[in-house]
Amino acid sequence: LAKTTQPISMDSYEGQEVNITCSHNNIATNDYITWYQQFPSQGPRFIIQGYKTKVTNEVASLFIPADRKSSTLSLPRVSLSDTAVYYCLVGDSTGNYGQNFVFGPGTRLSVLP
Amino acid sequence: GAVVSQHPSWVICKSGTSVKIECRSLDFQATTMFWYRQFPKQSLMLMATSNEGSKATYEQGVEKDKFLINHASLTLSTLTVTSAHPEDSSFYICSARDPGQGMNTEAFFGQGTRLTVV
Repeated sequence: LAKTTQPISMDSYEGQEVNITCSHNNIATNDYITWYQQFPSQGPRFIIQGYKTKVTNEVASLFIPADRKSSTLSLPRVSLSDTAVYYCLVGDSTGNYGQNFVFGPGTRLSVLP
Repeated sequence: GAVVSQHPSWVICKSGTSVKIECRSLDFQATTMFWYRQFPKQSLMLMATSNEGSKATYEQGVEKDKFLINHASLTLSTLTVTSAHPEDSSFYICSARDPGQGMNTEAFFGQGTRLTVV
């Protein structure tokens, strides 16, 4: 099971771009990288998923270098409502169960006015 | 997109009683669902994997006789906290994947259930 390492916390100001990097040195060939966002007292919400290079959707971009040992979630122009905990997960396909999502401590992002 | 719904959103119970939490996949069939527990300021901790039509697989340190999991249909898994104690007070979250979308896709999470044992 690939372990992930993220900064425990980050601060930013409204309107700035925020980049959160996750290390996953033991990522396996078949593993995908998935990022989730969680607000207090809510279940995690999917942000973005990727395998290599760059993925972009309406809310974020995900940059994955060629060796795939790390990934960077990029949030453009954050607002106060982006204050949340962000989790980086690396998929562990285990037979018929598919990805067994095991969460690390996540990164607590605080967006300041 | 796919939706996973939990019920209830919050529950308060007396010590020694049992509480059942439901997790439903609303627009897809989930052969596998996952149950997590989250304490304040901490990350989600996987408790068990719920398998439709068979026994759940529990993580190390999770008491299977205390946290009963039943996955009787392809759209419903239940977690029953038996003989609840104050230390069981926590935020319980379920998740499921849509197998129709392949192996490496996002998991959908329920909104969570806040359990308070008094």
